[in-house]
Amino acid sequence: GAVVSQHPSWVICKSGTSVKIECRSLDFQATTMFWYRQFPKQSLMLMATSNEGSKATYEQGVEKDKFLINHASLTLSTLTVTSAHPEDSSFYICSVDPGTSGSRAHNEQFFGPGTRLTVL
Amino acid sequence: QKEVEQDPGPLSVPEGAIVSLNCTYSNSAFQYFMWYRQYSRKGPELLMYTYSSGNKEDGRFTAQVDKSSKYISLFIRDSQPSDSATYLCAMDEYGNKLVFGAGTILRVKS
Repeated sequence: GAVVSQHPSWVICKSGTSVKIECRSLDFQATTMFWYRQFPKQSLMLMATSNEGSKATYEQGVEKDKFLINHASLTLSTLTVTSAHPEDSSFYICSVDPGTSGSRAHNEQFFGPGTRLTVL
Repeated sequence: QKEVEQDPGPLSVPEGAIVSLNCTYSNSAFQYFMWYRQYSRKGPELLMYTYSSGNKEDGRFTAQVDKSSKYISLFIRDSQPSDSATYLCAMDEYGNKLVFGAGTILRVKS
């Protein structure tokens, strides 16, 4: 399967500051990456689909000006939480979909280890 | 009503027990069904993948899909303490948009 890394794994910031989270696909080129948010004891909620070289597609209710996504290369997507507030504290996870190929399942997403954001 | 319903547990079982995890869903257009395992503070990892109805077995894990009842299950045989994790079901119509259940916390006691 694909290997996905995220950096940082854990970040604490003050309210009003911006935080950038990186998602890297280490062993293949990903034209599409996904960003999820997971609150404690809740499900993963898709925030946006990141497309290399074009604008991200945001899910309903997700503010695109607050959660800036940049997919500048085939191996890197970044999520910037702008003017973070305590309610933005969550576990942010990215994933990549290598696409259907041979025996690989359709929509088999591989997830990064996640970034825990705490906003004070 | 949520699109995917999953009992959050926690489910506590003794080592060696058979574990049954379930999800129900409301969207009859879902065709692809997945089970992910997530350890604490880690990203989910894919365990089982099933297309449409039927059963699929992989080692100690068996996934079942009953589209007529909109019900999917994951069975774990001979459960081990290392199986202790949160199990998430996920579904997709077609188009790279997974919808996840809330996850069931499983604890296997040695």
